[in-house]
Amino acid sequence: GDSVTQMEGPVTLSEEAFLTINCTYTATGYPSLFWYVQYPGEGLQLLLKATKADDKGSNKGFEATYRKETTSFHLEKGSVQVSDSAVYFCALSKGNTPLVFGKGTRLSVIA
Amino acid sequence: NAGVMQNPRHLVRRRGQEARLRCSPMKGHSHVYWYRQLPEEGLKFMVYLQKENIIDESGMPKERFSAEFPKEGPSILRIQQVVRGDSAAYFCASSRQYNEQFFGPGTRLTVL
Repeated sequence: GDSVTQMEGPVTLSEEAFLTINCTYTATGYPSLFWYVQYPGEGLQLLLKATKADDKGSNKGFEATYRKETTSFHLEKGSVQVSDSAVYFCALSKGNTPLVFGKGTRLSVIA
Repeated sequence: NAGVMQNPRHLVRRRGQEARLRCSPMKGHSHVYWYRQLPEEGLKFMVYLQKENIIDESGMPKERFSAEFPKEGPSILRIQQVVRGDSAAYFCASSRQYNEQFFGPGTRLTVL
């Protein structure tokens, strides 16, 4: 079946550092790809998405590019802030199918 | 436009009791999904419903768990005779046809 693999955490960075969280997927067909963020004690918020190959999703300084040739959707941000500390989930779905999630990567940003 | 609403936010039950979790989707959304998150783990799909129909329940345990999404009112996830292993955060998401899913704040179930 379809699956998502993302880098294990936790990741600890200093403020203003560059962030990369790796995500690769295995899927038949043409999935849409997503990054969700979860702050402590809260639900998941959609951070960005891409629906076809070479699409770049971006939001709040975060971006990720749908790479079909490497089946990847890595999350990047040029300069992280303390407020970015959260758990980040990579996920895929096809049409109305349920989301398939990676295990999540906890990010801590220290001042 | 209100987001996805879930209640209660926290629920404590003793072993053997029943737990009822409610989810009101966003306005205009007819697709509802339930996911479970165990501590320090990702989210696992449980069940996908449209109004009055269960579309996919492949992630839901066959015993003690049931879900519904009636024509009127919220979607309900029901867990009968809860056990300690049911302690988790349960999230509901809703969407329009072929659109991204939006999540509620979750219900954190603790079984004593």
